[in-house]
Amino acid sequence: SQQGEEDPQALSIQEGENATMNCSYKTSINNLQWYRQNSGRGLVHLILIRSNEREKHSGRLRVTLDTSKKSSSLLITASRAADTASYFCATDGSSYKLIFGSGTRLLVRP
Amino acid sequence: NAGVTQTPKFQVLKTGQSMTLQCAQDMNHNSMYWYRQDPGMGLRLIYYSASEGTTDKGEVPNGYNVSRLNKREFSLRLESAAPSQTSVYFCASRTEGWTDPYEQYFGPGTRLTVT
Repeated sequence: SQQGEEDPQALSIQEGENATMNCSYKTSINNLQWYRQNSGRGLVHLILIRSNEREKHSGRLRVTLDTSKKSSSLLITASRAADTASYFCATDGSSYKLIFGSGTRLLVRP
Repeated sequence: NAGVTQTPKFQVLKTGQSMTLQCAQDMNHNSMYWYRQDPGMGLRLIYYSASEGTTDKGEVPNGYNVSRLNKREFSLRLESAAPSQTSVYFCASRTEGWTDPYEQYFGPGTRLTVT
């Protein structure tokens, strides 16, 4: 079974708008990561947030983590057409394994 | 620096045929992974290798075998392919540091169809 579940499953926004996607998980974690997957390609690591962190920024990305609610959110600001992709959260089930959610498909319309 | 490479990119098999998916990384990573991704779903871990000479089962190992040939190469074998194994297969390796948070680097994937 998958640890993380993303919400929404699909999101369509206009270029320039912000995109927010959420991830919920079931068990305690050491860290949570977000990955992007362009159509037909492998996953690319975006950002990692440790369990003792509440918020992290990287360029246009902002990640929050609420361990009490077992949830995380990824915000992409000022979206671009090139941000069109699927986004996955992943939690570490043990010291070297990641468990992926089912992903959010983001479409940014020009 | 090629990162993680996979061969082949595409493969069509008949039920019962066997094949080996190849993966290699040039980043000197100890840990390597095989995942499968079915349509509209996230990745599910098939097998992983924490270091050269060791392999362990992941979430969905049935019907697969793996070999960690050396530090660079980690292969996935389907002994008798079944239509349920139609999927996209990704290989990954991870950065070092057992106590530090890590990220995984992914190959481009192998799209396998079993008829």
